[in-house]
Amino acid sequence: GAGVSQSPSNKVTEKGKDVELRCDPISGHTALYWYRQSLGQGLEFLIYFQGNSAPDKSGLPSDRFSAERTGGSVSTLTIQRTQQEDSAVYLCASSRTGGAGQPQHFGDGTRLSIL
Amino acid sequence: AQSVAQPEDQVNVAEGNPLTVKCTYSVSGNPYLFWYVQYPNRGLQFLLKYITGDNLVKGSYGFEAEFNKSQTSFHLKKPSALVSDSALYFCAVRDDSGGGADGLTFGKGTHLIIQP
Repeated sequence: GAGVSQSPSNKVTEKGKDVELRCDPISGHTALYWYRQSLGQGLEFLIYFQGNSAPDKSGLPSDRFSAERTGGSVSTLTIQRTQQEDSAVYLCASSRTGGAGQPQHFGDGTRLSIL
Repeated sequence: AQSVAQPEDQVNVAEGNPLTVKCTYSVSGNPYLFWYVQYPNRGLQFLLKYITGDNLVKGSYGFEAEFNKSQTSFHLKKPSALVSDSALYFCAVRDDSGGGADGLTFGKGTHLIIQP
């Protein structure tokens, strides 16, 4: 079946602008995760959704970052007033349930570049 | 807090030889361990996992990994390397204690280069 879909695949924007990244998980997967991958910090967990609720927002780096999930499906990650250190690849993953032993299936990411 | 260490930034292996990519971990409770592979400009692809049971787990593309509780290690192995195995490999852990983050904690990654 279809995998995790992320859009856009690339985004270039100016410092100070807001950006919105979209993730479409595998159909039927109740758990959804956002990660950030950068050269300096490696892979960092940002936020986890179970259904439409986000029980774990511990990884969001600042209050400029927010995320929502609607209808138990599509999720958007919003970064307000972007800074150059926000440049990274943002990866979304989904799993059948939120159980710790469930493998997470990743999209190809959105490469975000802040000028 | 949970953590993962991949001590080698890069591993070079000749095609046809066995390969090992090392991983050690630290968690409060029992570990759930995973290996993922990443090709250029792509997301992470799941290879295998250890939850409980046999210490040797088999996964996709002929890869396997050995869980060693006393050494807190979960090394990735393959008996005979292929050039197409060249990629970036990540080890990841999640804690079953309920006190850790709900996301995976990843190592820094190991570049595996298979030479023809």
